[in-house]
Amino acid sequence: DTAVSQTPKYLVTQMGNDKSIKCEQNLGHDTMYWYKQDSKKFLKIMFSYNNKELIINETVPNRFSPKSPDKAHLNLHINSLELGDSAVYFCASSLGIDTSYEQYFGPGTRLTVT
Amino acid sequence: EDKVVQSPLSLVVHEGDTVTLNCSYEVTNFRSLLWYKQEKKAPTFLFMLTSSGIEKKSGRLSSILDKKELFSILNITATQTGDSAIYLCAMNSGGYQKVTFGTGTKLQVIP
Repeated sequence: DTAVSQTPKYLVTQMGNDKSIKCEQNLGHDTMYWYKQDSKKFLKIMFSYNNKELIINETVPNRFSPKSPDKAHLNLHINSLELGDSAVYFCASSLGIDTSYEQYFGPGTRLTVT
Repeated sequence: EDKVVQSPLSLVVHEGDTVTLNCSYEVTNFRSLLWYKQEKKAPTFLFMLTSSGIEKKSGRLSSILDKKELFSILNITATQTGDSAIYLCAMNSGGYQKVTFGTGTKLQVIP
């Protein structure tokens, strides 16, 4: 009965590879997000989608491409992985785009690029 | 650019102590201030504050917002080892859910 789930939990890969992280929420929320948390624990928003539509796209390299096949899923594909991409990636969701709704976070995916 | 600054960066206290965590912010279009607790994995929501001077309380945790001075505090009374975590302050600004997080305060409660 996990609310926001991510797969995989851990991902170790080499520079130059392409990888995907999947996120699913069963809360019936309309809005989903991707965050990156670096080694200093700083959490920074990357993207947000509302009803499958891109709403926020922060300054993120083009190598990162989110895809939302339906409003319960938001996947993150990363091309040509670099060492600096190593971080924990969190997916989150909220009831809607209104700022009165809190966000619920998934357990995170720890990506290590070697 | 919106900014959230938390202090202290880390804190070690003994069980039973009371702690106060600070969060100051700069924002162009304030909507709400949020507190999250992050243990080993996902941040979990604690409070959302939108109005000045109204304390929000949940058990031993409480928080208040001062929109004039642009800061918030999170109080934890009678701390327990289970309170050990990183406490994240975040701010929602603009028309959409654009949340800016602070760097967090790492709290360690020792027996």
